[in-house]
Amino acid sequence: DQQVKQNSPSLSVQEGRISILNCDYTNSMFDYFLWYKKYPAEGPTFLISISSIKDKNEDGRFTVFLNKSAKHLSLHIVPSQPGDSAVYFCAASAGNSGNTPLVFGKGTRLSVIA
Amino acid sequence: DVKVTQSSRYLVKRTGEKVFLECVQDMDHENMFWYRQDPGLGLRLIYFSYDVKMKEKGDIPEGYSVSREKKERFSLILESASTNQTSMYLCASSLGQGRYEQYFGPGTRLTVT
Repeated sequence: DQQVKQNSPSLSVQEGRISILNCDYTNSMFDYFLWYKKYPAEGPTFLISISSIKDKNEDGRFTVFLNKSAKHLSLHIVPSQPGDSAVYFCAASAGNSGNTPLVFGKGTRLSVIA
Repeated sequence: DVKVTQSSRYLVKRTGEKVFLECVQDMDHENMFWYRQDPGLGLRLIYFSYDVKMKEKGDIPEGYSVSREKKERFSLILESASTNQTSMYLCASSLGQGRYEQYFGPGTRLTVT
């Protein structure tokens, strides 16, 4: 049973517009959420995270929103750039001070069209 | 910056061979992980380790074993490689101690023929 779901396998956005990537989770014990970005033939790189005590975290063009009641988080990229084209993975942790493995979604492939 | 290195970027092995994938991290991280990534399946956890000589099974441990003799090094072993183990293998490490971020190596593309 998938605990972290990214229901959109792919997304295409025009350069300069907003990209919104969505993620849903089922485990109410998750208390920390992360987004990773992955280019082909490279390892994933950490992008941004949010603790369950917050509902928003912003870092430059990237903002993550958390809606705990809906068990939903989203990553907003504004403005989108061609270099943002990659696969984005949502991940969640059920605490224990980071000593438990992250649970990853299956990823969403973002294509930013110039 | 955290650096996680993997011994090979590309590897081709024959069915039945014993395969060793090595991973080294340079930031004194407590935790290390091995994943495989396959199209449409995302990242699946094979094994992880909280500490030297400690190991825990992940979601898909069958056909794999691991070794962590030193804190900075975590090895993945395919005892008898099979074609269904053709995949991208990713190693990661994390500090733990309240820090959740995992840092990944560049990956090893393994092909078993």
